[in-house]
Amino acid sequence: IELTQSPGTLSLSPGERATLSCRASQSVTSTFLAWYQQKPGQAPRLLIYAASSRATGIPDRFSGSGSGTDFTLTISRLEPEDFAVYYCQQYGGSPPWTFGQGTKVEIK
Amino acid sequence: QVQLVESGGGVVQPGMSLRLSCVASGFTFRNSAMHWVRQDPGKGLEWVAVLSYDGKNNYYADSVKGRFTISRDNSNNTLYLQMDSLRTEDTAVYYCARDQVTYFDQWGQGTLVAVSS
Repeated sequence: IELTQSPGTLSLSPGERATLSCRASQSVTSTFLAWYQQKPGQAPRLLIYAASSRATGIPDRFSGSGSGTDFTLTISRLEPEDFAVYYCQQYGGSPPWTFGQGTKVEIK
Repeated sequence: QVQLVESGGGVVQPGMSLRLSCVASGFTFRNSAMHWVRQDPGKGLEWVAVLSYDGKNNYYADSVKGRFTISRDNSNNTLYLQMDSLRTEDTAVYYCARDQVTYFDQWGQGTLVAVSS
């Protein structure tokens, strides 16, 4: 299963809402879709698992939704620390695990 | 707190070997399956390999199958990745990550492997 993220880059201002898309080449079980945040020089950090469950310590401005082939990560009000690259990832029930190519959220 | 610390990266020539290590702490390592995930510099993420909690079951990405071997030492809380016949396209930052079946909940800081002649 291939994951395609859009847009490639999102230019927004702090306080604005960010909507990131992840589209799968075939249907993905919602339980098997996750989102990560990565800042320069750092490892990815788990944000969302099972499409909509926030990981421990993740602020509630981050939310995930979607089903089938279309999934969305929403950041309700961008904070300065949210400018980063975001990846979706899926597991199809057997290896491999696959990632989207990423969406960069940059300061406008 | 959970910590995963990778080491063993470096610069090697094509065809050579390298062994990466990942030392785990802050959780019961022997109860967790573990993965290696890599990232081309400035590019996206690629899953590489997974090993079951007891070391008995493993799976590899097609791109590394037959060249890389994942293993673990539960008595020393350490995960390994033996990389043989390295190619230039194996150049990446290699992360170890803890398995939660469908996702990865904890990641190390990564170790850089550069394959160049």
